[in-house]
Amino acid sequence: TQLLEQSPQFLSIQEGENLTVYCNSSSVFSSLQWYRQEPGEGPVLLVTVVTGGEVKKLKRLTFQFGDARKDSSLHITAAQPGDTGLYLCAGEVDSNYQLIWGAGTKLIIKP
Amino acid sequence: DAGITQSPRYKITETGRQVTLMCHQTWSHSYMFWYRQDLGHGLRLIYYSAAADITDKGEVPDGYVVSRSKTENFPLTLESATRSQTSVYFCASSESWVGGYTFGSGTRLTVV
Repeated sequence: TQLLEQSPQFLSIQEGENLTVYCNSSSVFSSLQWYRQEPGEGPVLLVTVVTGGEVKKLKRLTFQFGDARKDSSLHITAAQPGDTGLYLCAGEVDSNYQLIWGAGTKLIIKP
Repeated sequence: DAGITQSPRYKITETGRQVTLMCHQTWSHSYMFWYRQDLGHGLRLIYYSAAADITDKGEVPDGYVVSRSKTENFPLTLESATRSQTSVYFCASSESWVGGYTFGSGTRLTVV
C-alpha cells in the first residue's frame, strides 16, 4: 500500500509566526502537487514540483521537493489569517502512474 | 463563466433512493474525476474518465455509476443510496491523469 503521510495533522498558530508542514512517503514520485482547501470549497492547486531538490516560491509560501523525490515541505513565512485552510499534497507515483493523496494538514492562523 | 460546476451544492435523500450528482466543465479537459472526502480518509477516487465514452473505476466504486456522453459533463449516480455514502463529493477535471486538477465546489450529500 502506497501512503503519503502529512504532518502535522493540525496546526494552530498566531498571525506573524512561521510554520512548516511536511509530506512524506516511501515511494518515489515523478511530481508532487500542493493544494489548499477552504471550508465549503474544493481544493485549489498551489504548485507542482517535479525535480528532486526543486524549490518554488509563491509569495510567502516556499515549497521544496526532496532530493530523492520521496518527500516535500511547505514553509509559510509570517502567516496570515488568509492562510487558514486544509493543505493537501498529492504525488504522482513514479512506478505505476497513480496519483496518491495525503490526508491533509488543517492550518488555523489566529489574528 | 469558465470553470467547473457541481450541482446541487447540498442534497438530503433517503436510503434506497437513486441520486444523481451533476458536474459540468467548460475547459474541454480530457480527464474528469469523482472523489469523495470523508474525515479520516481524505480524498478517495470513485471513478474517472479519460475522454467521452471512456470511464474506469477508482479506489471506491461500489454503489456508484458514471457516464460521459459529452466531454463537458460527468454525472455520478448513486443507484440505491446508503448511509455510508453520506459524504462530500468533488468533481475535478484536468488535461492530465496526474494533475494539476481543477476542482468544483463540491456536493454535500446526506443519506438518512
